[in-house]
Amino acid sequence: AQSVTQLGSHVSVSEGALVLLRCNYSSSVPPYLFWYVQYPNQGLQLLLKYTSAATLVKGINGFEAEFKKSETSFHLTKPSAHMSDAAEYFCAVRSGNQFYFGTGTSLTVIP
Amino acid sequence: SAVISQKPSRDICQRGTSLTIQCQVDSQVTMMFWYRQQPGQSLTLIATANQGSEATYESGFVIDKFPISRPNLTFSTLTVSNMSPEDSSIYLCSVEFAGSLQETQYFGPGTRLLVL
Repeated sequence: AQSVTQLGSHVSVSEGALVLLRCNYSSSVPPYLFWYVQYPNQGLQLLLKYTSAATLVKGINGFEAEFKKSETSFHLTKPSAHMSDAAEYFCAVRSGNQFYFGTGTSLTVIP
Repeated sequence: SAVISQKPSRDICQRGTSLTIQCQVDSQVTMMFWYRQQPGQSLTLIATANQGSEATYESGFVIDKFPISRPNLTFSTLTVSNMSPEDSSIYLCSVEFAGSLQETQYFGPGTRLLVL
């Protein structure tokens, strides 16, 4: 069975500081991994995805994530947080046609 | 990607009534999905809606409660029947294009439902 664990339901960072949102997955086959962002009162927007190409994936808005098979991780990072990054972030793994979502991490950016 | 719209964007309903949510895509897609996102929680897949066949429901969801239509390749509806306050959630449709298994699901803006 596939599963996704997001460590930390709430993360607070200062504006300009590094953003690190953690995601670990469980998959019996090479995974397809995704990060989505949900801004208040909106749907989910794709940030980036890993599909067994380069292990370091760059996404929109300056975010990137690194696939580490040995650690079964796909952590999301951004070097410098911006106020507009405040949102809910979801990690997801694909198995067949199904997506399995983590429980989400709420990011707060402190001015 | 695709432009996905949902109607209504939000609604407040009385218990015992039903609400039909529409999902429209600006291009033809093979697979459409309906998710529920309860307050403060992650997404749970309700069903997969394929054109020309019955929807496939996930464990815990039944057709009588959440009937789905998929009349063509750009449109689907989800009905929340005989609503109770526990049905208060965000309902999201997502779409996927035919082709590689690496394809992504793209989400609509969601329908925010409050049942009183």
